[in-house]
Amino acid sequence: GAGVSQSPSNKVTEKGKDVELRCDPISGHTALYWYRQRLGQGLEFLIYFQGNSAPDKSGLPSDRFSAERTGESVSTLTIQRTQQEDSAVYLCASSFGTSVQYFGPGTRLTVT
Amino acid sequence: KNQVEQSPQSLIILEGKNCTLQCNYTVSPFSNLRWYKQDTGRGPVSLTIMTFSENTKSNGRYTATLDADTKQSSLHITASQLSDSASYICVVSAYGDSSYKLIFGSGTRLLVRP
Repeated sequence: GAGVSQSPSNKVTEKGKDVELRCDPISGHTALYWYRQRLGQGLEFLIYFQGNSAPDKSGLPSDRFSAERTGESVSTLTIQRTQQEDSAVYLCASSFGTSVQYFGPGTRLTVT
Repeated sequence: KNQVEQSPQSLIILEGKNCTLQCNYTVSPFSNLRWYKQDTGRGPVSLTIMTFSENTKSNGRYTATLDADTKQSSLHITASQLSDSASYICVVSAYGDSSYKLIFGSGTRLLVRP
């Protein structure tokens, strides 16, 4: 595809359930980022993958959050035992090296 | 503490008018500053990127300025259009950190009315 895609676009889940969010970066982009954006707030950095290097997980808010990336392709962000404060839009971005990031449309997560 | 502050928080203008959005930062050492446009329900889209040595950069009707001495940037929108209604986010990268650790402002919400 021409851009970064994310799925699902919307996810409603019950408190305590696990969720998986998917990101398909632009083909050839070596770097992939996950961000969280709460309503009316700025973007919060969560995690960064660059090629085969160890990911930078310094932004993950708790051990309930984890992410994986297969080579330089798809990434999955997993949130275990979801809490209401996890409700937000989760944005994925990719870039070639550390150049301009191209963002996906986001997944809106609602925890009830 | 590295911070990016934007003002105003929200702005309403009439179609065809100009406006200027402000960004102040305390990120140090500075690497570059980016402005993004985020339409409702969409991911951010890059408008401009400026390094320390650049003090102005244009992208169509968008012109960004940077004063690295006072640590201020502005985004000027000329002859606004209804499609300019969006959030505008200022993002600063710290030199020495990997540039992926960007510091995001909370954005200015712009509404352009006919």
